[in-house]
Amino acid sequence: AQTVTQSQPEMSVQEAETVTLSCTYDTSENNYYLFWYKQPPSRQMILVIRQEAYKQQNATENRFSVNFQKAAKSFSLKISDSQLGDTAMYFCAFMKLPNNAGNMLTFGGGTRLMVKP
Amino acid sequence: GAVVSQHPSRVICKSGTSVKIECRSLDFQATTMFWYRQFPKQSLMLMATSNEGSKATYEQGVEKDKFLINHASLTLSTLTVTSAHPEDSSFYICSARVYGAGISYNEQFFGPGTRLTVL
Repeated sequence: AQTVTQSQPEMSVQEAETVTLSCTYDTSENNYYLFWYKQPPSRQMILVIRQEAYKQQNATENRFSVNFQKAAKSFSLKISDSQLGDTAMYFCAFMKLPNNAGNMLTFGGGTRLMVKP
Repeated sequence: GAVVSQHPSRVICKSGTSVKIECRSLDFQATTMFWYRQFPKQSLMLMATSNEGSKATYEQGVEKDKFLINHASLTLSTLTVTSAHPEDSSFYICSARVYGAGISYNEQFFGPGTRLTVL
């Protein structure tokens, strides 16, 4: 079974600054996907970024980038130029490569990020 | 993009009644849908995996007779909370796995959630 740990229950950052959210995971799998999801106050889950484990290059999406360290089983999210709209819960999630079990996601406990003006 | 809807968005019911929540993929076919439960300030907990045309697979500790899941078509899955009690009050979220050529089949798209309050 996989476990995902987010060690920072809450974080805050000043607008326009950079913040890094931590995530570690435990798995015996070699091929998998990692995700960061954002859940704003509306409660709608929004995919922020995805990383395939077989890719060494870190994924980036505009102001969002990850630091994927496969050997250390670490997957941190960096948000640059933080904006007020980034205020949300952020969940790290793990998914094994496709199988007949349906590609279930395992979520971490979440980090509540507050961007301050 | 792929859109998933849920209905209703909020429901309040009396203890002992049953409540049905619908999850629809609006612009794609979903062979697999997932149902999650989220308590306040907590993470999403997978309840069950629903495959079109077959019985749902429930996670350990989830009562399948209490949380009835039906995935009758490639665009609709329903979760029925039977004989609801106050401890069933929670936020229920569904997601759908995209199916189709040329589409990333590893991504799940989430519905907006349903807040259930049992009095």
